Amino acid sequence: DAKTTQPTSMDCAEGRAANLPCNHSTISGNEYVYWYRQIHSQGPQYIIHGLKNNETNEMASLIITEDRKSSTLILPHATLRDTAVYYCIVSSLNQAGTALIFGKGTTLSVSS
Amino acid sequence: DGGITQSPKYLFRKEGQNVTLSCEQNLNHDAMYWYRQDPGQGLRLIYYSQIVNDFQKGDIAEGYSVSREKKESFPLTVTSAQKNPTAFYLCASSPLSKGAGYGYTFGSGTRLTVV
Repeated sequence: DAKTTQPTSMDCAEGRAANLPCNHSTISGNEYVYWYRQIHSQGPQYIIHGLKNNETNEMASLIITEDRKSSTLILPHATLRDTAVYYCIVSSLNQAGTALIFGKGTTLSVSS
Repeated sequence: DGGITQSPKYLFRKEGQNVTLSCEQNLNHDAMYWYRQDPGQGLRLIYYSQIVNDFQKGDIAEGYSVSREKKESFPLTVTSAQKNPTAFYLCASSPLSKGAGYGYTFGSGTRLTVV
């Protein structure tokens, strides 16, 4: 899997948009970008994934640059419950014999 | 409701003892995984299995063993050979049919402490 680089920590005010960046400059053409988050002492939770088009679901939006070397996860209206570690991971769609590798992620702190 | 169950939530072990952590899923997922997490660190892959009776080592398999006799179950044994077993252990499963990284579902974890 390609490596990703994320900031160690970020702060966000409640109600504001949280924009979490991720660099994946060595991503291959068949690799997707996945985002998961982990609330303290729980297992990670899937958020969203994409290949090259921007994606949106009920939790977040994913913006992938045209060259696919970076992406941004957007939480449009952050709440205190969004405080968590956010992991950006790249993986092939049908890569047999592999598992997701979670780095240290970005610790997002949402405050009132 | 479908889900993935890990037990026990907290486990204490004496040094030199083997201990088995349970992981059961009723999601009909093909693949199952074991991760270890130390304080302030990301998740590190121990073992994973994509089909019954087959599994692969992850980055830190030494001192651990697994079995996959049933699709629903993927127990992890922490052996006495694991030098620093105190950690938070997470089990996960995924459907594989929608891609290698899609739809991981995690259990609530087992916190193992060696005393």
